[in-house]
Amino acid sequence: GIQVEQSPPDLILQEGANSTLRCNFSDSVNNLQWFHQNPWGQLINLFYIPSGTKQNGRLSATTVATERYSLLYISSSQTTDSGVYFCAGRPSGTYKYIFGTGTRLKVLA
Amino acid sequence: DAGVIQSPRHEVTEMGQEVTLRCKPISGHDYLFWYRQTMMRGLELLIYFNNNVPIDDSGMPEDRFSAKMPNASFSTLKIQPSEPRDSAVYFCASSFGTNRDLAGELFFGEGSRLTVL
Repeated sequence: GIQVEQSPPDLILQEGANSTLRCNFSDSVNNLQWFHQNPWGQLINLFYIPSGTKQNGRLSATTVATERYSLLYISSSQTTDSGVYFCAGRPSGTYKYIFGTGTRLKVLA
Repeated sequence: DAGVIQSPRHEVTEMGQEVTLRCKPISGHDYLFWYRQTMMRGLELLIYFNNNVPIDDSGMPEDRFSAKMPNASFSTLKIQPSEPRDSAVYFCASSFGTNRDLAGELFFGEGSRLTVL
């Protein structure tokens, strides 16, 4: 089956710093999404980004579907950005969304 | 608009007891998913439904697990009998897809944290 690799697995930032999280797929996927799991365990939708670039405030994401990767950019990080960031996608013809193992981010005040 | 609603939020039970988790998808969504999250295995897809019909249950760990979707607004995941290794957070998610290649965005409920003693 398709493998989803996220890097880095862990990241510690000082408040105000910028970061880039990466998601690699071993094969083509559709409907790539980024989620933030906050410290309370809620899975929050960040981006639905099958291809191209989107921005939402301090966050932006880019998916290059032909090269099977996606990037999530966090600028001017805040302590509330702490948590785990997951990417997910599904192979064509199936609804079986596959999740990466996540990047655990901690932002220090 | 109401999101995906799950209940209970927390469940503590003893080994051997029956556990029923409930989910109400977002109105109008035609796909419903049950995921399980553990530290060891991450987020695993257990089963998903399309228009109330189970499509793929290959992720259901064993016969102790069953899921139903009697109508478009309600689904249950049942574990009978429960075991300590079933302790996890169980998430329900829904999406709207006009067809398989136009799948919609996935939205999650807040999860049900199950502890089996």
